[in-house]
Amino acid sequence: AQSVAQPEDQVNVAEGNPLTVKCTYSVSGNPYLFWYVQYPNRGLQFLLKYITGDNLVKGSYGFEAEFNKSQTSFHLKKPSALVSDSALYFCAVRDQAGTALIFGKGTTLSVSS
Amino acid sequence: DAGVIQSPRHEVTEMGQEVTLRCKPISGHNSLFWYRQTMMRGLELLIYFNNNVPIDDSGMPEDRFSAKMPNASFSTLKIQPSEPRDSAVYFCASSLGMPNTEAFFGQGTRLTVV
Repeated sequence: AQSVAQPEDQVNVAEGNPLTVKCTYSVSGNPYLFWYVQYPNRGLQFLLKYITGDNLVKGSYGFEAEFNKSQTSFHLKKPSALVSDSALYFCAVRDQAGTALIFGKGTTLSVSS
Repeated sequence: DAGVIQSPRHEVTEMGQEVTLRCKPISGHNSLFWYRQTMMRGLELLIYFNNNVPIDDSGMPEDRFSAKMPNASFSTLKIQPSEPRDSAVYFCASSLGMPNTEAFFGQGTRLTVV
């Protein structure tokens, strides 16, 4: 069965600095990988996904993620953090057989001004 | 499109009562997921439907939980009888049937069982 690990419960970064939120996955075969963001009292919002092709994927709000097959990782990145980026971030994986979308436990990103 | 619609947004009920949560997926989507979110356990998949058929219900906690999808535009998650440990935010999400498509989430139902 597929699984996702987000090793950091919280990431703290100063505004303007680059940020990275880590994600590693386990799946049979090639993965489909997703990042979502959740603001307080809201549902999850889709940020970006990796399906195939270029290992660097660009998404909404200036976020990007790098797929690394050998390290089974899909880290979320942003060159310059904003205070408004503060939220809960989830990584998710699905296999090509179309099993359910499985999420990591989430990482709280806190950006200070 | 209005997105995934869940009702009610908030539900407070007494232990032992039946609770029904409702979800209307995005029109044209044929995959539907129910998730439960708690501080302790994060976001857990409860059940996954494809073309109205339950594909994976291994996350349903116990027999007190049941889910149905009578048609492509409606799904319910029922808890009977409810217990305080069922208190959580329950999310419904839908997607197109292809596994490489993203899921869209509703706003969630915050359930409190007292």
